Amino acid sequence: DTEVTQTPKHLVMGMTNKKSLKCEQHMGHRAMYWYKQKAKKPPELMFVYSYEKLSINESVPSRFSPECPNSSLLNLHLHALQPEDSALYLCASSQRQGFQTANTEAFFGQGTRLTVV
Amino acid sequence: GQQVMQIPQYQHVQEGEDFTTYCNSSTTLSNIQWYKQRPGGHPVFLIQLVKSGEVKKQKRLTFQFGEAKKNSSLHITATQTTDVGTYFCAGLNYGQNFVFGPGTRLSVLP
Repeated sequence: DTEVTQTPKHLVMGMTNKKSLKCEQHMGHRAMYWYKQKAKKPPELMFVYSYEKLSINESVPSRFSPECPNSSLLNLHLHALQPEDSALYLCASSQRQGFQTANTEAFFGQGTRLTVV
Repeated sequence: GQQVMQIPQYQHVQEGEDFTTYCNSSTTLSNIQWYKQRPGGHPVFLIQLVKSGEVKKQKRLTFQFGEAKKNSSLHITATQTTDVGTYFCAGLNYGQNFVFGPGTRLSVLP
């Protein structure tokens, strides 16, 4: 199984809503990532989990709250988002975190296309 | 902080023509990765380069890592319509995570 599965594929939420994005991989990878991608822009790193511990938080607003319940699952909890948070949210995983020279290729999920109204 | 640039931003080619995209980093990189993202899709890993001056080939794709490990290129020979998409380089500067370049969007006219 070489897939990263993200749910839901599409999400429309109001600014007062609370929702969660889910990501799952069964490749035994120990690093998992959340990226945000706006149209015609590159993926922008938000969070990195390494061995289920938060390793990197790229100064992301607290209305985004990541969670890694176990080595296969990664969640992104959303609360009180703004319309400018509308984007494609991509989850990725790799065997190890990026500073290793091997086994760092990232496998991306299909993404959740989020619209905040 | 580390900056990764790519040129060109867009490239339109006729099917059968060659295509090259260049990636430049403001700092020396420990390694670099290349990804392809089809329209409406997600990034897909193509290759990783680690050694200074490294050249790797995948069928019609040739990847190079500069001697100073600050630049890289991706060359596609005889483009096909299936090559359409955005090509991103992602550089790692001995830190914790890869930084994506802005990407080069390739369109191939049949």
